Amino acid sequence: GAVVSQHPSWVICKSGTSVKIECRSLDFQATTMFWYRQFPKQSLMLMATSNEGSKATYEQGVEKDKFLINHASLTLSTLTVTSAHPEDSSFYICSARDSGTPQHFGDGTRLSIL
Amino acid sequence: AQSVSQHNHHVILSEAASLELGCNYSYGGTVNLFWYVQYPGQHLQLLLKYFSGDPLVKGIKGFEAEFIKSKFSFNLRKPSVQWSDTAEYFCAVTPKGAGKSTFGDGTTLTVKP
Repeated sequence: GAVVSQHPSWVICKSGTSVKIECRSLDFQATTMFWYRQFPKQSLMLMATSNEGSKATYEQGVEKDKFLINHASLTLSTLTVTSAHPEDSSFYICSARDSGTPQHFGDGTRLSIL
Repeated sequence: AQSVSQHNHHVILSEAASLELGCNYSYGGTVNLFWYVQYPGQHLQLLLKYFSGDPLVKGIKGFEAEFIKSKFSFNLRKPSVQWSDTAEYFCAVTPKGAGKSTFGDGTTLTVKP
């Protein structure tokens, strides 16, 4: 079946650094990718929707300059957390789909900011 | 690591029929459980969740789910479906203590008017 690879699976870094998370569709073209954030004991919260070749659409309350999303190809989207701080520590999960097909989830990235 | 199995890949019902979507998980500890829905052309939305307490959980739009610990199941039910319930439904499991969610493969529900 379709596979979405998310990398890295866990990253620990110092406050103030930037972190890039990759989301790749391995065997299908992902015209749309979603980025979610999950706080402990809570459900997923959609951060943004990205369509290949166009700017991401951010949900209300999500800082565009803080969470940079690039969807430059049909198989890759990246989320960069800029100048990360401890409150940015969370699970970040991407999902991808082609038009008219089901959504497939990555395994998530656990981000820990010290 | 936890895993989630959704038995039905595609369910087709007529309006007013009753719905039950199966979800089983495997994990050695305690978990939080979720059902999400994705309507055509939209992103994922939370239907309902179980953290603790009454194992019968009621969610939005008339959906409910029952957590049966002995069976490691969290099946989704609705007494009478509508055409607007046509969507993809995902079951997810999160280990208690800040673990990440693991999703099932999803069940596509098609409701015929």
